[in-house]
Amino acid sequence: AQTVTQSQPEMSVQEAETVTLSCTYDTSESDYYLFWYKQPPSRQMILVIRQEAYKQQNATENRFSVNFQKAAKSFSLKISDSQLGDAAMYFCAYSRLQETSGSRLTFGEGTQLTVNP
Amino acid sequence: EAQVTQNPRYLITVTGKKLTVTCSQNMNHEYMSWYRQDPGLGLRQIYYSMNVEVTDKGDVPEGYKVSRKEKRNFPLILESPSPNQTSLYFCASSFERNNSPLHFGNGTRLTVT
Repeated sequence: AQTVTQSQPEMSVQEAETVTLSCTYDTSESDYYLFWYKQPPSRQMILVIRQEAYKQQNATENRFSVNFQKAAKSFSLKISDSQLGDAAMYFCAYSRLQETSGSRLTFGEGTQLTVNP
Repeated sequence: EAQVTQNPRYLITVTGKKLTVTCSQNMNHEYMSWYRQDPGLGLRQIYYSMNVEVTDKGDVPEGYKVSRKEKRNFPLILESPSPNQTSLYFCASSFERNNSPLHFGNGTRLTVT
C-alpha cells in the first residue's frame, strides 16, 4: 500500500519570505501523480499543484513550485514571497496512475503553515 | 456553477441515532468518494463509487454505508454513529479517467456525543 508522510506538523514563515514544506511517499509503482492541496480555515480543499511522476520537470504554479526527487521519493513544496493568504493546512497526496478509477488519493498528515506579518 | 454540495455543514448527534450526510454534484462525474479528516491523520477514504450502483470500500469503511442510485448523488449513511466517528467529512467527485482533477465539497463537521 502507498503511504505519504509529512514530517512537519507545523511551520511558520515571515511574510515575503520563502518556505519549503516536506513530503515523502512510499510506492512500488513507477507511474503516479503527486499533489499539494491547501485547506484554509474555510475548510475548502484547493488544489495547489500537481506533478506527474513520468515528467522530469518540476511543476510550477506562480509562487508555488515543487522539488520532485523520484529516486528519493520526495516531493517538497516551495512557497516564494509568502503572503498572509497562504496561511493554511497543506496536504501532500498521492494517486496511482490507473486507467479507469478517477482520482483515488492517499493523503499525508498535513502541515499547518502560519504566515507572520 | 460546477460544484459538489454537501449537507449539512455541521451536525451534532447522539450515539446510535442514524444519520445521513448528503452529497450531490452537477458535473456529470462518474466517480464519487467520501473521505474523513482527523488531526494528525490527514484525509482517509471511506468509500468510493465508480458509477451508478457500483460502490467499493476505501481504507476506513467500518461503520459507514453508501449508495449510488443516481449519478449525481452519493449519500453517506451512519446506521449507528459512535463517538469515534466524530470527524470532518468530505465528498469528492471526478470523471472516471486518468488525470481528472478531484472536486471537493465544503465538508461536514460531525460530532457524535
